[in-house]
Formats: sequence, structure tokens, C-alpha cells
Amino acid sequence: ILNVEQSPQSLHVQEGDSTNFTCSFPSSNFYALHWYRWETAKSPEALFVMTLNGDEKKKGRISATLNTKEGYSYLYIKGSQPEDSATYLCAPDNNAGNMLTFGGGTRLMVKP
Amino acid sequence: DADVTQTPRNRITKTGKRIMLECSQTKGHDRMYWYRQDPGLGLRLIYYSFDVKDINKGEISDGYSVSRQAQAKFSLSLESAIPNQTALYFCATSGGGVGYQETQYFGPGTRLLVL
Repeated sequence: ILNVEQSPQSLHVQEGDSTNFTCSFPSSNFYALHWYRWETAKSPEALFVMTLNGDEKKKGRISATLNTKEGYSYLYIKGSQPEDSATYLCAPDNNAGNMLTFGGGTRLMVKP
Repeated sequence: DADVTQTPRNRITKTGKRIMLECSQTKGHDRMYWYRQDPGLGLRLIYYSFDVKDINKGEISDGYSVSRQAQAKFSLSLESAIPNQTALYFCATSGGGVGYQETQYFGPGTRLLVL
């Protein structure tokens, strides 16, 4: 069982603030790192799949970076909006079989 | 129509009862998964199947069994439900690309309460 840690567990920000959170995972036998966004009462939805050290992905105001050598990924949200309120999950694949191990998530709440 | 559906969406049952959760997908994916979510613990893998003849235990398979009736259907059974199986259960699918790069698509979830 992989040790996947996400920090912080929860985060309250004001609308317009930029924020970031961290996913730490084992660097050995790494294949990919997935980020998912999970809104309350909905299903988790994929944000990014990252595979290469130094990868940076962007979707609108959300971006992510990846360091496979030290085993971490950052997710950034620029100018947070209330609709960004969700739990953000990271999940590394360390065995090439698309078996993901999910972290506990970071719950983001954006106040108008 | 949703690509990944789960039935029932909510279920209350009693300790010792057998219960089945069903998952169907129209995405044509080979890989299907069952997860449970408990507050603060993220999603934990119960069972996964890479095709109809391939079923594997995940991190927390004790107390659960599965059946892959067809490419599109993957059912999860609790043979004798116990209260600590109260959780939110998700089915997911993936396929069509390089395994570790494939996105998983989640169903809407089944909220199960075992009394």
C-alpha cells in the first residue's frame, strides 16, 4: 500500500485569492500522477495526468507541476472562484497497471 | 445519458444481509474498478477487473466479492453486511490507451448505510 499524502487537508480562501496544495508520493517505480476534482454530491472528474519529471499542465486557472525524483506534485489555482470549491484528489500509479492509490484529498472552500 | 451508472444510488440495510451494488458502463472500456470512500481516507480500491476473465483484489477486499458479468457490467457484493461497511461506493472505468495514462471515469456513487 503506497503512502500518498496531501496537504493541507482543508483550505478556506477568499474569492480572488491564489492558492496551492501538495501531493507527496513514493518516487520509486513511478509511472504517472493523476489529479481529480471532486465536487460535493458529484463524481470525481479527471483534471490532469502527468508522467514526466518537470511536467507542467494547465487547464484554465488551474495548473499542476510534477517532481518525480523527490515524489511530489503541486496544484495551483489562480484567482480562486466559488465554483472552485471542491476536494482535490491526487493518485499516483506506481505499477504501470492503472491501479491508482488516492490521497486523502485537499478540501478547498472559496468564500465569495 | 450517463456513461457510468450505478444502482442503487442509496441503500439502507441491516447487519448480516446480503447486498449487491451494480455498475454499468457504455464507454466500451475494458477496465473496471470498485472503490469505497470514507471521510478523510480518500478512495480505497476494493476490486478491479482488466477484462471479463481478469478479476483482482484491491487494498481492502475482505468482506466483498465481485462479478464481471460482461464487459459493460461489474457488480460488487457484500455477502454479510456489517456496520463498518457503511460508506460511499464508487465504480470507475478506464480504457483505450496506455494503462498508466488512462483517465478513470467515475459513476455517481452508491451511499450505503448498514444498521
